[in-house]
Amino acid sequence: DAGVIQSPRHEVTEMGQEVTLRCKPISGHDYLFWYRQTMMRGLELLIYFNNNVPIDDSGMPEDRFSAKMPNASFSTLKIQPSEPRDSAVYFCASSLRGTGRNEQFFGPGTRLTVL
Amino acid sequence: DAKTTQPNSMESNEEEPVHLPCNHSTISGTDYIHWYRQLPSQGPEYVIHGLTSNVNNRMASLAIAEDRKSSTLILHRATLRDAAVYYCILRDFGGGADGLTFGKGTHLIIQP
Repeated sequence: DAGVIQSPRHEVTEMGQEVTLRCKPISGHDYLFWYRQTMMRGLELLIYFNNNVPIDDSGMPEDRFSAKMPNASFSTLKIQPSEPRDSAVYFCASSLRGTGRNEQFFGPGTRLTVL
Repeated sequence: DAKTTQPNSMESNEEEPVHLPCNHSTISGTDYIHWYRQLPSQGPEYVIHGLTSNVNNRMASLAIAEDRKSSTLILHRATLRDAAVYYCILRDFGGGADGLTFGKGTHLIIQP
């Protein structure tokens, strides 16, 4: 199994530009999570999906952020317009409920730099 | 949500055991104790979890106090590859699919 796949691994953009981060969860997993990590705030949950439906988006910082999951094998996190304070590492994770431990498997992350 | 308290950093020598403590004095009866770690420049990875009894797996052992207000992650023989930030996280049994709430964790430094 390839694990959780994220793309791109690094993204450098200018303030005001649209940024799209992509995630492919582990096949068969029914939960998908988006996290953000910064030095100031640490790791924080942004949003998560169950069976492609958003369940809790209370962690999304503001309306500039949006996430979609059009099918079980793909999700996007979009920032429009981007701002320098959005610079962070964004992680996608997936899990399969009912395994007992509900372990979350994380991708390698996308390092976003907004100039 | 019940909170956890961990030391900011710990240092150990290679090939020696490491005991990473976690305090969770407000833990509820339905909270599982989970440990994740994050190696440099990688995403977090699951280490181990438990409810009341001590647990062992290929990566580590988890010792849980009888009153469940604290726990200790044990790495039996640390290697340089174990240098990471270790997070102790409480997860409600019923909300096992919810997102993880990460604290600051313990930065483990391994000296060769």
